[in-house]
Amino acid sequence: GAVVSQHPSRVICKSGTSVKIECRSLDFQATTMFWYRQFPKQSLMLMATSNEGSKATYEQGVEKDKFLINHASLTLSTLTVTSAHPEDSSFYICSARDHWTQSYGYTFGSGTRLTVV
Amino acid sequence: KNEVEQSPQNLTAQEGEFITINCSYSVGISALHWLQQHPGGGIVSLFMLSSGKKKHGRLIATINIQEKHSSLHITASHPRDSAVYICAKETSGSRLTFGEGTQLTVNP
Repeated sequence: GAVVSQHPSRVICKSGTSVKIECRSLDFQATTMFWYRQFPKQSLMLMATSNEGSKATYEQGVEKDKFLINHASLTLSTLTVTSAHPEDSSFYICSARDHWTQSYGYTFGSGTRLTVV
Repeated sequence: KNEVEQSPQNLTAQEGEFITINCSYSVGISALHWLQQHPGGGIVSLFMLSSGKKKHGRLIATINIQEKHSSLHITASHPRDSAVYICAKETSGSRLTFGEGTQLTVNP
């Protein structure tokens, strides 16, 4: 079945540094990938929609200069948290859907737990 | 009011029990998704529904478009079914809006 590989699974970084999270669709093409954030005991929130070859579409309230998204190929999207602060500590997860078989559900990455100290 | 509401928030069952989790949504959708989130955070897509009913093993999902309501049923529940079950509605642009999830614990 469809697999989305997300790395790293956990990262601890210092305030002010940047962290890059990668999501790769391993066996299908994904023209669109989605980035979500989940705070403890809360539901997933869509942050942005990542479109291959074009600019990402950010949800209201999500700072595009802070959360940089690049989707340079049909199989790779990256999320960079720039100048991280402790309040950015959260669980970040991506999802994608096979471009050619959109009647199927989404495939999610395994998530990245970011801790900013 | 949340766009997607789930009930119950928490559910504890004994192994073998029949379980139902409910989901209501406020506006029209292109599809309704049921997801399973494990303690480590990983998410698995269980069902995608636009009408009627789907079955996969011990899991059954139904949707009533007119009533804007969906249910997820688990028959013969097992401790390994313990997880958070999330309902999500899909709208234009393949955007997902998530319910708050139902924490299911199945005791042996």
